[in-house]
Amino acid sequence: QVQLQESGPGLVTPSQTLSLSCTVSGGSITTYDYFWSWIRQPAGKGLEWIGRIYFDGNTNYNPSLDSRVTISMDTSKNQISLKLTSVTAADTAVYYCARGPGSRTGEAFDYWGQGTLVTVSS
Amino acid sequence: QSDLTQPASVSGSPGQSITISCTGSSSDVGSYNFVSWYQQHPGKAPKFIIYEGSKRPSGLSHRFSGSIFGNTASLTISGLQAEDEATYYCCSYAGSSLWVFGGGTKLTVL
Repeated sequence: QVQLQESGPGLVTPSQTLSLSCTVSGGSITTYDYFWSWIRQPAGKGLEWIGRIYFDGNTNYNPSLDSRVTISMDTSKNQISLKLTSVTAADTAVYYCARGPGSRTGEAFDYWGQGTLVTVSS
Repeated sequence: QSDLTQPASVSGSPGQSITISCTGSSSDVGSYNFVSWYQQHPGKAPKFIIYEGSKRPSGLSHRFSGSIFGNTASLTISGLQAEDEATYYCCSYAGSSLWVFGGGTKLTVL
């Protein structure tokens, strides 16, 4: 059973950089079959796909965030990471890491972390 | 504003069936079969319930079914149960390595 766990600061100052990690257990992030994504959800609102990373380091980002986002991986720790620069209050959200898209699940997101709330405030 | 349009809310009584629509465009739902659905209970992470428009993950109840017609995907839940009360989100591949979600539909079981 794949499990994902997000971690990182719950409070970020405006204009600073949001940094989160996602530790994956029960499976390797260096799998050919799946990408690994970050998805966020502002309070009371819908989901927004942020971007994804493949085992070879290839990344794709949502154009709405492209200039501010970096997703990376640390295979030694079986972790993926998210950095979002120049944050504003609009970046306040619950951030999820998820397995997917994947060829075995029709490019869906089949396992999700519990999410971590990040508040942008001074 | 979300890329895919869902009704804000639907409701039904126990035992009944309901359908939630997800309307996109020829750039996403209408071009790809990569539509997925997620169930989210308050304070919880989304749970994956449908992929490729109509396929269920292993172990998921057959009460959940999906379909795609043109630019619109639909999720049907039959034999409504109290535990089905949640918010449901659709998601579609939109080309150019981009995934888009609907705004979510809150299901109330009366």
